[in-house]
Amino acid sequence: AQSVTQLGSHVSVSEGALVLLRCNYSSSVPPYLFWYVQYPNQGLQLLLKYTSAATLVKGINGFEAEFKKSETSFHLTKPSAHMSDAAEYFCAVSDDAGGTSYGKLTFGQGTILTVHP
Amino acid sequence: EAQVTQNPRYLITVTGKKLTVTCSQNMNHEYMSWYRQDPGLGLRQIYYSMNVEVTDKGDVPEGYKVSRKEKRNFPLILESPSPNQTSLYFCASSLSNYNTGELFFGEGSRLTVL
Repeated sequence: AQSVTQLGSHVSVSEGALVLLRCNYSSSVPPYLFWYVQYPNQGLQLLLKYTSAATLVKGINGFEAEFKKSETSFHLTKPSAHMSDAAEYFCAVSDDAGGTSYGKLTFGQGTILTVHP
Repeated sequence: EAQVTQNPRYLITVTGKKLTVTCSQNMNHEYMSWYRQDPGLGLRQIYYSMNVEVTDKGDVPEGYKVSRKEKRNFPLILESPSPNQTSLYFCASSLSNYNTGELFFGEGSRLTVL
């Protein structure tokens, strides 16, 4: 069974500082990995995804994530935080590579990012 | 505008009073799914549907029903709601069953069961 662990339910950074949100996964097959963002009172939006191409994935709003198979990690980073980045971030895994999970995603617990002026 | 629409957005009800949360998508997506979001637990899948008249249980299906009579609609039915179903519910859709996880989410329906 696949699972996702996000280290840290809350992360606080200053505006302009590096953002690092951690995600570790377990999967029995090569996974597809995703980061979604949820702004207050909204649904989730896809930030970026890894689907076995380049290990460094660039997403929207300046975010990127690196797939490290040896560490089973897919951490999300942004060089310089902006106030508008304040939101909840979810890491998710799909073993859809085998075409049998019918598009199901398993989500992590979420990390709330706070950005201070 | 491509979107997933859920109604109602907010609902307070009492134990045992049947309710339905509607979900509609205008993107001609085959795959639709319901998730519930609870603090510290992330999102957990309740039910999903691969196409019209094809539905299956997710990880937490107890106390819920769904139907998929039309491609665009995927209502979530709580026949006899209980307080442990107080949660934030999201409907999501995707172009096909064998997608790469690009789910499109509705804005959520916050349900309180007293």
